[in-house]
Amino acid sequence: DAGITQSPRHKVTETGTPVTLRCHQTENHRYMYWYRQDPGHGLRLIHYSYGVKDTDKGEVSDGYSVSRSKTEDFLLTLESATSSQTSVYFCAISAARGGATNEKLFFGSGTQLSVL
Amino acid sequence: AQTVTQSQPEMSVQEAETVTLSCTYDTSESDYYLFWYKQPPSRQMILVIRQEAYKQQNATENRFSVNFQKAAKSFSLKISDSQLGDAAMYFCAYRPTNFGNEKLTFGTGTRLTIIP
Repeated sequence: DAGITQSPRHKVTETGTPVTLRCHQTENHRYMYWYRQDPGHGLRLIHYSYGVKDTDKGEVSDGYSVSRSKTEDFLLTLESATSSQTSVYFCAISAARGGATNEKLFFGSGTQLSVL
Repeated sequence: AQTVTQSQPEMSVQEAETVTLSCTYDTSESDYYLFWYKQPPSRQMILVIRQEAYKQQNATENRFSVNFQKAAKSFSLKISDSQLGDAAMYFCAYRPTNFGNEKLTFGTGTRLTIIP
């Protein structure tokens, strides 16, 4: 299994509080992603990173920010959590070797976030 | 934007029988990758099978095979000799091949139940 660790595994917080989720990898992979999973929606991309300090938005980025100061860490921050952000959050990583790559994504175990 | 559609929210199959899960997608790209991921109750995302669009031959992995119809933009998953351990959510996913665009787009999932 790819070395991906998400923390925390579970978190309960209150509306309006800031929350940071951490994704840590030991694979030195270039690409890192944050997805959220909700019933009826599958997995939707929030933000992704293609290198240190290089990030871009996904389809559901409103209310979220990310940072990647080191190859191994990708942080997802909810500046002011809302109940609509209650979800399971997955981090994923992918290698890239130039040109066309068919590298698959490796997923972390997910973080269950509840915003009350 | 690319979209992936799984029209069967739930499916069930008798143990040892065969079941087919449907997936359609929309894209203007000519080359891309398609995936089926399995998510058991443990929440872990597991890659089941991968298909490269430029290959006409359908991918197979043991009891899992796909029926890839590029013109129809259809990518169904066939599970033969269903086992209790196959019970899970199954997600179809799409990814373009162009370097620098490594984003996976997921369908909404199909929950597969195995009847003993």
